[in-house]
Amino acid sequence: GAVVSQHPSRVICKSGTSVKIECRSLDFQATTMFWYRQFPKQSLMLMATSNEGSKATYEQGVEKDKFLINHASLTLSTLTVTSAHPEDSSFYICSAGGIKDEQYFGPGTRLTVT
Amino acid sequence: SQQGEEDPQALSIQEGENATMNCSYKTSINNLQWYRQNSGRGLVHLILIRSNEREKHSGRLRVTLDTSKKSSSLLITASRAADTASYFCATFTSGTYKYIFGTGTRLKVLA
Repeated sequence: GAVVSQHPSRVICKSGTSVKIECRSLDFQATTMFWYRQFPKQSLMLMATSNEGSKATYEQGVEKDKFLINHASLTLSTLTVTSAHPEDSSFYICSAGGIKDEQYFGPGTRLTVT
Repeated sequence: SQQGEEDPQALSIQEGENATMNCSYKTSINNLQWYRQNSGRGLVHLILIRSNEREKHSGRLRVTLDTSKKSSSLLITASRAADTASYFCATFTSGTYKYIFGTGTRLKVLA
């Protein structure tokens, strides 16, 4: 299957700083990428849908000014958590849309805000 | 918003037994996928079943889909300790072009 990578896999940052997470589709072009957040012992919650060359579509309750998404190319989408706080500590997972309705998930990034 | 509800939330069985997890959803879908997630790790894709399919098999896994009841089940036969993980269903609707995950079932297989 197609490969999606995320970088970094794990990041610790101080409260008030910003953190950027990259999601790359390695062997296919993805016009659409998705960002999910998962708190401990909970399911994945869709945060936003990112389309190459256009603004992301955010799910209800997700602050677009706090979670900046950029999808500048067909193989790269980035999520920037701005002014991070301890409550933003979570597991962030991206996925990339392939042919038709297939989606391929990245391995996730664990963010810890101290 | 989460669309899928899974039950049971947690399941504990002995090695060798079968494990059945159920997923119910609310709106019409194009396909449904099952994923496994080991603690603190990423998702592992198990099976995709489309809306015009009723059953699919993959090794020890059997997935059924009943679109009239808006439900799906995942059966793991002859379970092993290594099957201990959380299992999620995710439904896809072409109208919205996104996957929505269920609440998940935490499976524990005791050796």
